[in-house]
Amino acid sequence: AQSVTQLGSHVSVSEGALVLLRCNYSSSVPPYLFWYVQYPNQGLQLLLKYTSAATLVKGINGFEAEFKKSETSFHLTKPSAHMSDAAEYFCALTNSGYALNFGKGTSLLVTP
Amino acid sequence: DTGVSQDPRHKITKRGQNVTFRCDPISEHNRLYWYRQTLGQGPEFLTYFQNEAQLEKSRLLSDRFSAERPKGSFSTLEIQRTEQGDSAMYLCASSGGGSFYGSPYFGPGTRLTVL
Repeated sequence: AQSVTQLGSHVSVSEGALVLLRCNYSSSVPPYLFWYVQYPNQGLQLLLKYTSAATLVKGINGFEAEFKKSETSFHLTKPSAHMSDAAEYFCALTNSGYALNFGKGTSLLVTP
Repeated sequence: DTGVSQDPRHKITKRGQNVTFRCDPISEHNRLYWYRQTLGQGPEFLTYFQNEAQLEKSRLLSDRFSAERPKGSFSTLEIQRTEQGDSAMYLCASSGGGSFYGSPYFGPGTRLTVL
């Protein structure tokens, strides 16, 4: 069975501080991993994806994530948080080629 | 705007009524997906089309749910005899190319409230 676990349903950071959102996965075969962001009352926007080409993946809006097979992790980071980064973030996995299996999400709060 | 569009954005209905949602994918995308998202949870996969063929259905998709994609363009999701447990955000996504890993692009969703 495949699954993702997002550690921390709520994360609060100060504006300008490092953002770290944690995602651990479980998969019997090499997975493809994604991070999506969802703003209130909107759909999901793709931030970045890992498809085995490179372990460090750079995405939009200054976000990046590193695939660590030994730790079964795919944590999302951003060096300096902006107020506009406040949103819900979802880690997702697939090895089926069609269905994404999402985590429960992490709500990011950015304080002035 | 050439993104994925969904209609309606909001739907309030009474228990027992039928509802239908529409999704228009990005025009060149041949793959279309439906997901359901309840409050505080991540989206859950419901079904997947490649062109007009429905290739996979989740066990979440009970007999009261049916999805179609005639001519491989827009898609509809119908829920018959709605129940309060059907209240959720219904998300549509599409992706293109020969591989899923073109990444799904999501629409804004249809929020269903069943009274």
